[in-house]
Parts: sequence; structure tokens; C-alpha cells
Amino acid sequence: AQKITQTQPGMFVQEKEAVTLDCTYDTSDPSYGLFWYKQPSSGEMIFLIYQGSYDQQNATEGRYSLNFQKARKSANLVISASQLGDSAMYFCAMREADYKLSFGAGTTVTVRA
Amino acid sequence: DTGVSQNPRHKITKRGQNVTFRCDPISEHNRLYWYRQTLGQGPEFLTYFQNEAQLEKSRLLSDRFSAERPKGSFSTLEIQRTEQGDSAMYLCASSFPRTGGTRDTEAFFGQGTRLTVV
Repeated sequence: AQKITQTQPGMFVQEKEAVTLDCTYDTSDPSYGLFWYKQPSSGEMIFLIYQGSYDQQNATEGRYSLNFQKARKSANLVISASQLGDSAMYFCAMREADYKLSFGAGTTVTVRA
Repeated sequence: DTGVSQNPRHKITKRGQNVTFRCDPISEHNRLYWYRQTLGQGPEFLTYFQNEAQLEKSRLLSDRFSAERPKGSFSTLEIQRTEQGDSAMYLCASSFPRTGGTRDTEAFFGQGTRLTVV
């Protein structure tokens, strides 16, 4: 079974607007971590934000925030005030007790001027 | 530069040849991971080291693949008798567990080695 599901293959957003990237996950582990990574065309995976399964508050890192809904098993990424440099592939990932990351298929974000 | 370093960045090889990639993790990180990413997909886990011990290998890692991490520092990934299906981006990542609580550090990735088998 797919552990991470990202249902949006591609999204367009206007510069300065907010965009929400969907991510749902599947695990029976009570302790897990959820991550979002950005991959520009250069190929490097850039860490954006982390949410632990026991964290009470939604994570925020600058313009990035994670909308964590544990009961629904969703961990959507919100990028506020989009910039042209935000155009990239975005991956949601989950770490369980075995430490390795399981990635979704990714969402391509294109920011329009 | 204190990030994860991978060499080479690009490798083109003929089918049937052997190739070796190197990963230098962040120096204090004791966990090292290899992932493979094909075009348009998310990375898939290949193998994982804690210090010098290889603790897990994915079913994706056929007998033609071998990974080592001597002395728990840098790691190498070798592919023997390459096939066209091996063409992919090979990503290395490292992490270090935080003490206490349930939170680990995020995994830091290198820029990857893009392999093309012709």
C-alpha cells in the first residue's frame, strides 16, 4: 500500500498568492515524522518543514506552514506569498520507526508572474 | 561546504560496465541513506547505514548493487554490469538522531549523481 499520497501532479499559482499542496499518509506506527522537501530543477532535495506525530501545534517555517490533521492522516503544505523561485517539485515524506523516508510522487508547482 | 557531497554529479556509462558513486555525509551524522529517483517520481529507499553497519536493504537493491561505509564515514554505491533500467538519479542523505523526545533531525540530501546507461 502507498504510504504517502500526493494527488496533485501539477499546480499553477500567481506570484504573491498562497498555494496548498495536499498530502495524505498511511501508517500504524504511533510515532512518526512528516517532512516536506523542495526539489528544483538542479536536483537537490531541500528540507522545508517537519511535523512530529506528537507535536501539538502545526509546524511553521517562514513562508511555509504545515496543516497537520492527525485524525484524517493529512499533512498539507501551505506556501504563502509565492515567489518565482518557489517553482519546483515538492515532495511529502514520512519517517517511521525504521528511520527511512517514504516519499510521495510529488507535486510540480509553477509560479506565474 | 559542510553539506552532503556526492561525486560524480553525472555519469554516462555503457551497458555492462561497472560504476561507483561516492557520498560524503555531514561529519557528525551517523546515519546515511541511499535513494534512487527515476524521472517524475519520488525517491525510493535503497539502503541505510548506522555508522559502518548496513542495517537495511530494499528489495530494489539487486545482487548487482553493493554499498559500503567503511569506518562509518563516507559511503560508496557500486553497480555492476549496468543495465539501461539503472538510469536514474542516485541520492545520498544523512541524519543524526536528536537526544530525548521523539524528534529526529531531518535528513539532509546531497545533490545526487545522475546515471545514464547507454
